[in-house]
Amino acid sequence: ELKVEQNPLFLSMQEGKNYTIYCNYSTTSDRLYWYRQDPGKSLESLFVLLSNGAVKQEGRLMASLDTKARLSTLHITAAVHDLSATYFCAVDMIGNTPLVFGKGTRLSVIA
Amino acid sequence: EAGVAQSPRYKIIEKRQSVAFWCNPISGHATLYWYQQILGQGPKLLIQFQNNGVVDDSQLPKDRFSAERLKGVDSTLKIQPAKLEDSAVYLCASSHVQRHTDTQYFGPGTRLTVL
Repeated sequence: ELKVEQNPLFLSMQEGKNYTIYCNYSTTSDRLYWYRQDPGKSLESLFVLLSNGAVKQEGRLMASLDTKARLSTLHITAAVHDLSATYFCAVDMIGNTPLVFGKGTRLSVIA
Repeated sequence: EAGVAQSPRYKIIEKRQSVAFWCNPISGHATLYWYQQILGQGPKLLIQFQNNGVVDDSQLPKDRFSAERLKGVDSTLKIQPAKLEDSAVYLCASSHVQRHTDTQYFGPGTRLTVL
């Protein structure tokens, strides 16, 4: 059974600081996704990582994937308040099986 | 391009009542998913359709939940009878086909409260 663990589950960080969210998964995977969810809203796709060593960046967010370690990271650079949201990683196994989500990391950026 | 549409956005019912949710995926998307998101948790897949056929319903509580996707476009998810633990947000998502690079696009969700 595929399991996905994120840490930390809660993160309060000051504006301008850097931090990393970690996503571990338990079995070999084909794809890893990062989603953002604002309170009361749906999920917005941020990144899709498809291969070992993949790195993608969008603004102050950078995601990477290490398939050998079964680990993905979401790095936040110089955080701003607008990044406050819950971030989910999700994984599916080889063969187009359904996405399995982590519990999410609730990020709060404070002044 | 219009996104995934869902209705209603909110629903409050009493336990043992029935409820139905509707989803209209992005035009041309063959794959449709229903997820249940309980407060404080990540979404959990309930059922996956490819066109109008079921691909995976292993986590659907079939004694009370049912779903259909007639004509391979819109879908409905029904709960009958509802239990307190069914209180959650029900998310519909769609993707073009199950290609290696496809992303799932999520609708706004239906927030169900069972009293």
